[in-house]
Amino acid sequence: DAGVIQSPRHEVTEMGQEVTLRCKPISGHDYLFWYRQTMMRGLELLIYFNNNVPIDDSGMPEDRFSAKMPNASFSTLKIQPSEPRDSAVYFCASRKLNNSPLHFGNGTRLTVT
Amino acid sequence: QKEVEQNSGPLSVPEGAIASLNCTYSDRGSQSFFWYRQYSGKSPELIMSIYSNGDKEDGRFTAQLNKASQYVSLLIRDSQPSDSATYLCASSNTGGFKTIFGAGTRLFVKA
Repeated sequence: DAGVIQSPRHEVTEMGQEVTLRCKPISGHDYLFWYRQTMMRGLELLIYFNNNVPIDDSGMPEDRFSAKMPNASFSTLKIQPSEPRDSAVYFCASRKLNNSPLHFGNGTRLTVT
Repeated sequence: QKEVEQNSGPLSVPEGAIASLNCTYSDRGSQSFFWYRQYSGKSPELIMSIYSNGDKEDGRFTAQLNKASQYVSLLIRDSQPSDSATYLCASSNTGGFKTIFGAGTRLFVKA
């Protein structure tokens, strides 16, 4: 079991650029979550998918953020255009069942200058 | 009111002591509760999950759940410097679909 795999580990970009974060969940896990972590706001849920379908995107901060899950083994979180306040660590997590624990990827540290 | 509340700390305990971490949650329909440990610059890792009222022990860790008081706690016995980290409390919402995290408590174990 390779765990949840995220890429890239670090991303530095300039304001206004498009950023795409990638995630491969654990095989067989039906739920995929995107979280954002900052010192000020902690770990915030952005969106989650069940069987590749977005279920709740109420945490997505603005229309500049979008997420897709084209198949069971891949998801993307896109920010277009990026802004300095988007700087944070973005975590992807997956789980198999409702109420079961989340398994986190190593995160992507995003810096927007 | 935040859905999951924790004292941000820092909590400082001497090596060998018991560290007590506390958490309250607002959603009475929550069914599952988790404690994660996060070292600086790393991702959260699961320590304990608890689903029923009472205590659950795993090695040096004991999780306690009181649904009537909407309270969850984590006890770490024989604290070690390697336990120094941020501890995140999390609960599911009603239905168990979303997992909501508290802000975390920073723990320092002094050698």
